Amino acid sequence: DVKVTQSSRYLVKRTGEKVFLECVQDMDHENMFWYRQDPGLGLRLIYFSYDVKMKEKGDIPEGYSVSREKKERFSLILESASTNQTSMYLCASAPGRNNSPLHFGNGTRLTVT
Amino acid sequence: GNSVTQMEGPVTLSEEAFLTINCTYTATGYPSLFWYVQYPGEGLQLLLKATKADDKGSNKGFEATYRKETTSFHLEKGSVQVSDSAVYFCALRFTGGGNKLTFGTGTQLKVEL
Repeated sequence: DVKVTQSSRYLVKRTGEKVFLECVQDMDHENMFWYRQDPGLGLRLIYFSYDVKMKEKGDIPEGYSVSREKKERFSLILESASTNQTSMYLCASAPGRNNSPLHFGNGTRLTVT
Repeated sequence: GNSVTQMEGPVTLSEEAFLTINCTYTATGYPSLFWYVQYPGEGLQLLLKATKADDKGSNKGFEATYRKETTSFHLEKGSVQVSDSAVYFCALRFTGGGNKLTFGTGTQLKVEL
């Protein structure tokens, strides 16, 4: 079974802090994604990566950056956390071939105070 | 641009009732369509998919038919169970978009005895 592991289930940070959300997948998938999930807005894509060291902006990249130094790991970085970044963050991975299903982690609920 | 519109929830049904969750989409070209399910405290998982017009996806008693003429992909189940209580997301993958998905806002389903 594919496993996508997000390092923290709950995280509380202060405004202005630099925050790292980590995601690791164990199935050698080429594609990795970061979404945020908010009530009434569904899932919105922040960034995605098709390969190591490659990244592309999603629909709402402002205030975020990402890092993919190794194939299995995709990190989301909040350079200076703000209260409007309080949300549930979901990482996903998928093989490179088209129409492959995304495999999601269980999410990190981030609260910025 | 590409977008997905789902009926708003929450939807509350009695066990063994018939379920319909409406989903319509706007997209250029011919997208692939998906339903994902999120059980409490978990990440999303693929429920079913359809990759071309008139395809029917099915899994665990759920069905959805890709209707190009009405740009719809409604989710149905003939007899719901308490264990079907979850949030359901409709999503599309547009042509040339790799595995990047655009999600609807989600519909919460609650099934009661």
